[in-house]
Amino acid sequence: DARVTQTPRDKVTEMGQEVTMRCQPILGHNTVFWYRQTMKQGLELLAYFRNRAPLDDSGMPKDRFSAEMPDATLATLKIQPSEPRDSAVYFCASGLQTGADTQYFGPGTRLTVL
Amino acid sequence: AQTVTQSQPEMSVQEAETVTLSCTYDTSENNYYLFWYKQPPSRQMILVIRQEAYKQQNATENRFSVNFQKAAKSFSLKISDSQLGDTAMYFCAFMTTYSGAGSYQLTFGKGTKLSVIP
Repeated sequence: DARVTQTPRDKVTEMGQEVTMRCQPILGHNTVFWYRQTMKQGLELLAYFRNRAPLDDSGMPKDRFSAEMPDATLATLKIQPSEPRDSAVYFCASGLQTGADTQYFGPGTRLTVL
Repeated sequence: AQTVTQSQPEMSVQEAETVTLSCTYDTSENNYYLFWYKQPPSRQMILVIRQEAYKQQNATENRFSVNFQKAAKSFSLKISDSQLGDTAMYFCAFMTTYSGAGSYQLTFGKGTKLSVIP
């Protein structure tokens, strides 16, 4: 049963620290998305990759957030320095873009910045 | 920009009864996809059902079906024979398919919290 995996599942850190979240997309999927979920804003797209190339990261605060895909099996989302307002659940999703295709979500990383 | 509206923040239904969750959207596109995702307390986002805008026939997946009204830009989810395991947040989502920077991204509604009562 193929699924998207994310690590860590939960992360508590102090303001100013660097945070790295990792995602392993479903094998063979060529699109990867990062979403952030908060009570206030709901689910928002942060970044989007196709064939490992970033296509859209307009939803991401550029000064502190960065997203990369070092290879087809790993996507990372980094926050440096972290701030309390970054506290949220961060989801990774992957899909096989042969047209518009379904996105499959990982279990999310719950980030708490104190 | 596309918007998705779920007007019912919370709903409840008795076990074995039927419930309908509402969703409306706004777009100028003609070709797109609509989805319902379920998020139980485990927080995993689970695909419930998907509808292609070019298809007139409403999608069905076991106890879950949709009422897709393209002209009215409405996409409601009907859950029949509700089960305790259906208790979750339900999110309606829109995906455009045009070629551009915003293509293939999901735009979500704020969600409806559904409680199934024994």
